[in-house]
Amino acid sequence: GESVGLHLPTLSVQEGDNSIINCAYSNSASDYFIWYKQESGKGPQFIIDIRSNMDKRQGQRVTVLLNKTVKHLSLQIAATQPGDSAVYFCAEKGGGSYIPTFGRGTSLIVHP
Amino acid sequence: DTAVSQTPKYLVTQMGNDKSIKCEQNLGHDTMYWYKQDSKKFLKIMFSYNNKELIINETVPNRFSPKSPDKAHLNLHINSLELGDSAVYFCASSPISGSYNEQFFGPGTRLTVL
Repeated sequence: GESVGLHLPTLSVQEGDNSIINCAYSNSASDYFIWYKQESGKGPQFIIDIRSNMDKRQGQRVTVLLNKTVKHLSLQIAATQPGDSAVYFCAEKGGGSYIPTFGRGTSLIVHP
Repeated sequence: DTAVSQTPKYLVTQMGNDKSIKCEQNLGHDTMYWYKQDSKKFLKIMFSYNNKELIINETVPNRFSPKSPDKAHLNLHINSLELGDSAVYFCASSPISGSYNEQFFGPGTRLTVL
């Protein structure tokens, strides 16, 4: 089956740096992508989403970029803070699927 | 106020026992889900219900049985618990199945089978 994966399992950054978390997907029929943040001991929480008719979407300190040509998704976090430390998941949906498929997750560690 | 709640938060039990996990959402959503998260943080869909009707049932042992008494509740009953069932189980909900909507997750239930 097709899957969503992540390039890096762990990313360590210094407070104040920008962080980039990458995600590769293989289902070319996917038309909706979501980033979730999961803090320790909690459930995943929605951060930002993007539809396939866009290539960039910005939120507060976060930007999602979508490159459909190479089936790549990234989450950029500006001025990373210790509170951003968490596991980040990308998820994709579409192609007739009712539910999103989650990637493996990347652990972001922010050092003060 | 909690949007998606689960009870209990922790569940420790012996192999062979039967246990239930409860989930409630107060968001008015039509669709609810159960996910299993393993020790490597991989999230795997188990079930999805839309307006109390089962729409997704992934490859899950039939020892796992979801029950939806109304569209705000989706409980998970597990019979004859095995060591491999140890994981964190997440309930989630979304407005409409198949649409461009994110899911709202509960806090999770950490199940430990001894």
